[in-house]
Amino acid sequence: QKEVEQDPGPLSVPEGAIVSLNCTYSNSAFQYFMWYRQYSRKGPELLMYTYSSGNKEDGRFTAQVDKSSKYISLFIRDSQPSDSATYLCAMSGTGGFKTIFGAGTRLFVKA
Amino acid sequence: DTGVSQNPRHKITKRGQNVTFRCDPISEHNRLYWYRQTLGQGPEFLTYFQNEAQLEKSRLLSDRFSAERPKGSFSTLEIQRTEQGDSAMYLCASSRGQKDRDRLNYGYTFGSGTRLTVV
Repeated sequence: QKEVEQDPGPLSVPEGAIVSLNCTYSNSAFQYFMWYRQYSRKGPELLMYTYSSGNKEDGRFTAQVDKSSKYISLFIRDSQPSDSATYLCAMSGTGGFKTIFGAGTRLFVKA
Repeated sequence: DTGVSQNPRHKITKRGQNVTFRCDPISEHNRLYWYRQTLGQGPEFLTYFQNEAQLEKSRLLSDRFSAERPKGSFSTLEIQRTEQGDSAMYLCASSRGQKDRDRLNYGYTFGSGTRLTVV
């Protein structure tokens, strides 16, 4: 079993839809939770960062962490074609230096 | 600062040859990481430096792989006697140290990667 599980998709939605992306994990030592966006042939780009449980909002993006269920989510409101990319969840422990990534979910937003 | 820079962007090599990649991190970041990413997968941790010290190596990093970060600045990743299974995107990332991380937005800044093809 992988430490971090993420549905690879692809997920296809119409422009303007609310997108929900999710990951589960098994290591209870994880304290830092992140979402990265990766465009084709580019390195991942940090979107959201959350420490421990709770919600965090940044513009159209909301990240949620439920440590009791070992489940994290990223919501994208009013999705745009430019949001089409692979979204990677990532997490690390209190040491913080080694981040474990999910496999990524490919998202397509149709105009 | 232009972010994390990786060179070359692409490398095609014959099986058995040695290759070396370079990473220039963001200057004020003291942590540097190497990851490997294959098609359809997330990045996999290879190794990590704090300043010039290599603090952890993944079991994925066989004896054919070596990484250095002289003087705590740029880093190199060398693969000796390349195999077809080494074909992947090699990503470098940098970040701040732990004290800053807890106060500021934590996370890596990645470079664009070096795509290695072993033929």
